Amino acid sequence: AQSVTQLDSQVPVFEEAPVELRCNYSSSVSVYLFWYVQYPNQGLQLLLKYLSGSTLVKGINGFEAEFNKSQTSFHLRKPSVHISDTAEYFCAVSDGNKLVFGAGTILRVKS
Amino acid sequence: EADIYQTPRYLVIGTGKKITLECSQTMGHDKMYWYQQDPGMELHLIHYSYGVNSTEKGDLSSESTVSRIRTEHFPLTLESARPSHTSQYLCASRQGGMGEQFFGPGTRLTVL
Repeated sequence: AQSVTQLDSQVPVFEEAPVELRCNYSSSVSVYLFWYVQYPNQGLQLLLKYLSGSTLVKGINGFEAEFNKSQTSFHLRKPSVHISDTAEYFCAVSDGNKLVFGAGTILRVKS
Repeated sequence: EADIYQTPRYLVIGTGKKITLECSQTMGHDKMYWYQQDPGMELHLIHYSYGVNSTEKGDLSSESTVSRIRTEHFPLTLESARPSHTSQYLCASRQGGMGEQFFGPGTRLTVL
């Protein structure tokens, strides 16, 4: 079975600074990877996904992620964060008919 | 456009009451899921369904039950609510085994 590790439970960062949220998954022959964002009292919204092809994936709201097969990582990055990016971020990997989610990383953007 | 709906959005109820949380999707997805999530915490899969008349228990044991009589509808029922059931419940759907899950807005349940 697949597993996902999000290495940071909370990441504080100042507005307009770059940020990286880390995600590692257990290895498999083929993987489908996802990043979701959750704002308070809402469901999860898809930021981006990797199914195949280019290892650099661009998503909504200026986020991007890089699939690294040798390091079994799928880290999320944004070059300049805004206050509105404050939310919880979940990394997920497909495991058959289910998605396996990480424990989440709370991104706190400070002014 | 992902269309998955959950009602009610918020529910405050007394101990011992029977409740049903509704989840509907208009995308014709075959797979549907229920998650339980405490504020700021991880998601726990409590039920899933791969199609009509198919239901399975998830990774986290739950006293709730589900049914899947129609493709678009996946309600969750608690026969006797308790304060330990206080949480947020998220419904999701997915088509096939490759793509993403689409999530509803969630139901925040408080049992007094």
